[in-house]
Amino acid sequence: NAGVTQTPKFQVLKTGQSMTLQCAQDMNHEYMSWYRQDPGMGLRLIHYSVGAGITDQGEVPNGYNVSRSTTEDFPLRLLSAAPSQTSVYFCASSPTAGDYGYTFGSGTRLTVV
Amino acid sequence: GDSVTQMEGPVTLSEEAFLTINCTYTATGYPSLFWYVQYPGEGLQLLLKATKADDKGSNKGFEATYRKETTSFHLEKGSVQVSDSAVYFCALGFRTTDSWGKLQFGAGTQVVVTP
Repeated sequence: NAGVTQTPKFQVLKTGQSMTLQCAQDMNHEYMSWYRQDPGMGLRLIHYSVGAGITDQGEVPNGYNVSRSTTEDFPLRLLSAAPSQTSVYFCASSPTAGDYGYTFGSGTRLTVV
Repeated sequence: GDSVTQMEGPVTLSEEAFLTINCTYTATGYPSLFWYVQYPGEGLQLLLKATKADDKGSNKGFEATYRKETTSFHLEKGSVQVSDSAVYFCALGFRTTDSWGKLQFGAGTQVVVTP
């Protein structure tokens, strides 16, 4: 089925560990982004990409890295996990930036202990 | 700065009741406006959108009108069902050169519909 696929769905990390959250879309969308969802705060933009090879920071980028080597994939890397990074992470894509609504993945629930 | 303010939840309704969720925004320029819905355990789904003043977005019985004069985008549905129980997010889509395509979300409003 066409859409945005995120893996894993759940993850528990120890403080200081690193990991990569995977995101892939098969809709040939140019624009991809990562959000984190925390209670009472809505969704906050971590990083985004307007096309392969181009990434930029969002509202809360510290502690996260991204790369976009292909149109389809946009992985999010946690360099050294901290309890403050406990959250639900969503990847989203859109045909282009602008007036289009976004297609969201089903999310990754991350707990850092 | 730019922001989106939604009414706090949870909003609890009986089936077939009228639903209104208030959303107001502050923004530079003329943003696009969106409503997203999140069902339990799932990602967000686009419910409706409006890209300019006085536009009305509609989908699945939900409606919202882009009101530039009051900077509002209130969501309404005339008769809710139990299946409408979800969290609803109002979002603002930027159109400025340095923020093109970014979304600013409200905190979300949980809606609970009882039989």
